[in-house]
This record gives sequence, structure tokens and C-alpha cells, in this order.
Amino acid sequence: GQQVKQSSPSLTVQEGGILILNCDYENDMFDYFAWYKKYPDNSPTLLISVRSNVDKREDGRFTVFLNKSGKHFSLHITASQPEDTAVYLCAAANQGGSAKLIFGEGTKLTVSS
Amino acid sequence: GALVYQYPRRTICKSGTSMRMECQAVGFQATSVAWYRQSPQKTFELIALSTVNSAIKYEQNFTQEKFPISHPNLSFSSMTVLNAYLEDRGLYLCGARTGGGYEQYFGPGTRLTVL
Repeated sequence: GQQVKQSSPSLTVQEGGILILNCDYENDMFDYFAWYKKYPDNSPTLLISVRSNVDKREDGRFTVFLNKSGKHFSLHITASQPEDTAVYLCAAANQGGSAKLIFGEGTKLTVSS
Repeated sequence: GALVYQYPRRTICKSGTSMRMECQAVGFQATSVAWYRQSPQKTFELIALSTVNSAIKYEQNFTQEKFPISHPNLSFSSMTVLNAYLEDRGLYLCGARTGGGYEQYFGPGTRLTVL
């Protein structure tokens, strides 16, 4: 089964708004959680990541929250901009598993101006 | 900065033929390279993880006989899709990382179309 799941295939928000992207995982052994951003015909680029020893990490407009007991992590984007329009992929890894990244299905975000 | 190149970007092959794709890491040492496939309407599935000086580990549903991988040095890896059929079409991505870090740098992908 899918080890990492993104429940929303798409999301549309108004420019300037706050949005939350969600990701659920199954493997208790995951200890690294990341969000990647992907434009069409481009490679996924790391947006923000967090290790399992913290439950929050902030980087500018982007914050990732980790809920280990709920096996859930999320990406919060504030002051959304049209340039944020892209596909967002969550991913998780387990150091014991040679840190191979397992991706979610992706959420296509559209920020309308 | 760390960059990953993939070649070719797009390719078309006839059903039953084979296609080789390459991955080049620039600006860092790619101690491990992961190959992924994104089939239509699906997410990126891990095919195999190759770590220098270790055996290549294939995921369930993917085999060395079908997707042989070469990782001869810290900057280059290649993968071949043998006897490609319709279900093999999609975007093949390589992700490279260095040392014990988690962060993977991805190439732009090779899009395979099978006729």
C-alpha cells in the first residue's frame, strides 16, 4: 500500500492567503520528513524538511509541522503568491532504510491573483 | 551548487526494445543514487537505490533483470529499461545524495514514451 499519502490532489487559494498541505504516513520508522516543490518539466526541489526529533521547523513563509503520534505532517504557507503555484510532494525516509525517500501522490496548488 | 543532469530528457522507443538513461551529479559526490519512475496518474515510485561500494537494492516489483543499473563512480549512474512495454512509460527521475545526509538532489527526469 501507499506508505505516504496526500489526501488532496489539488488545492486553489487566493493570493495572500494561508494554506495547509497535509501528508499522512504509515511507517513508524520514518525519521525524516520533507516537502518538495515541482514545476512542470522541472525536477522536484527541496522546500523544507524536518527530522523526527523536532515537531516544527520554520523557514520564511514556509513551516512544517510534524505530529509523530498521529503519523502526520503538514506544510503551512503564509502570504501565498502566484509563484507558489506548483505541485507539492511530501516525502519521508528512514535512516535505517538507507534514507530512501518515499513520495506522496502530490498536491497541485494554484494561487490565483 | 549541487546539480544533477539527466540525459536524454525525452525519448521514444518501440515496444520490446531497450532504452538507457544517464544521471550526472555535478558539484558534489553522489555516494548514493536513487532511481524513481512516475507513471501516468501516479506518484514517484522508487525503483532502486544504488550506493557506492554496496549492492544495489531494488524495490518490490522492480528487478535488476528489467532495470539494470550502473553506478561506477561518485558522479555518474545509468539505468536501462530492458524490453520496454507500454506500462514502462513515464518520467524517470534520479535523485542523488552525498554521505549520510538525507537531502536528495533531483535531475529533471527522462520522459520515456513507448510506442
